[in-house]
Amino acid sequence: KAGVTQTPRYLIKTRGQQVTLSCSPISGHRSVSWYQQTPGQGLQFLFEYFSETQRNKGNFPGRFSGRQFSNSRSEMNVSTLELGDSALYLCASSIGQSSDTQYFGPGTRLTVL
Amino acid sequence: AQTVTQSQPEMSVQEAETVTLSCTYDTSESDYYLFWYKQPPSRQMILVIRQEAYKQQNATENRFSVNFQKAAKSFSLKISDSQLGDAAMYFCAYRSFAGGTSYGKLTFGQGTILTVHP
Repeated sequence: KAGVTQTPRYLIKTRGQQVTLSCSPISGHRSVSWYQQTPGQGLQFLFEYFSETQRNKGNFPGRFSGRQFSNSRSEMNVSTLELGDSALYLCASSIGQSSDTQYFGPGTRLTVL
Repeated sequence: AQTVTQSQPEMSVQEAETVTLSCTYDTSESDYYLFWYKQPPSRQMILVIRQEAYKQQNATENRFSVNFQKAAKSFSLKISDSQLGDAAMYFCAYRSFAGGTSYGKLTFGQGTILTVHP
């Protein structure tokens, strides 16, 4: 089985712009979770989608949003980018049960100038 | 809310020797899952081992084993016969068994950088 894929792998944006990141889960997985990783804050949970519905959301401002499509692919969007949004964004997929293990993609490195 | 603490920012080990990484967590739940993930320089997060809280037996995966002490809320990772490829950042993570605000959420520790010396 192919693993979790994320595109693009690297992005450079300027303040005020918006960005969309994409995540394709492992085939058969219906849950996608997103995390932000920074040196200062570590790994923080953004949100989780299951069957096109957001089931959980972390403590991030409304500029961070996401969605999931019927094929379980997920996108996250960040509007009005700030310098502090520079981070590695990781997505993880799982079957969708609470007992699942999450499998991670390679991440998207976002740099905001 | 659950918290996970890794008190060792950095550890080092000689190739072929054994090293133990520490992790403690705080929770009021009785059912949960604990994980160790490895993040090499490529930044790809790789699952190392998983432990279900209801299981008393410690999980083992080849050279990797855990010491799970539920009462003490401790979950350490032992790496035996260390190899150069084990060098990475290691994260301890907690996942609640309950749904609701725990859906799809892993709570991570701060990470431990492991260096393996030849």
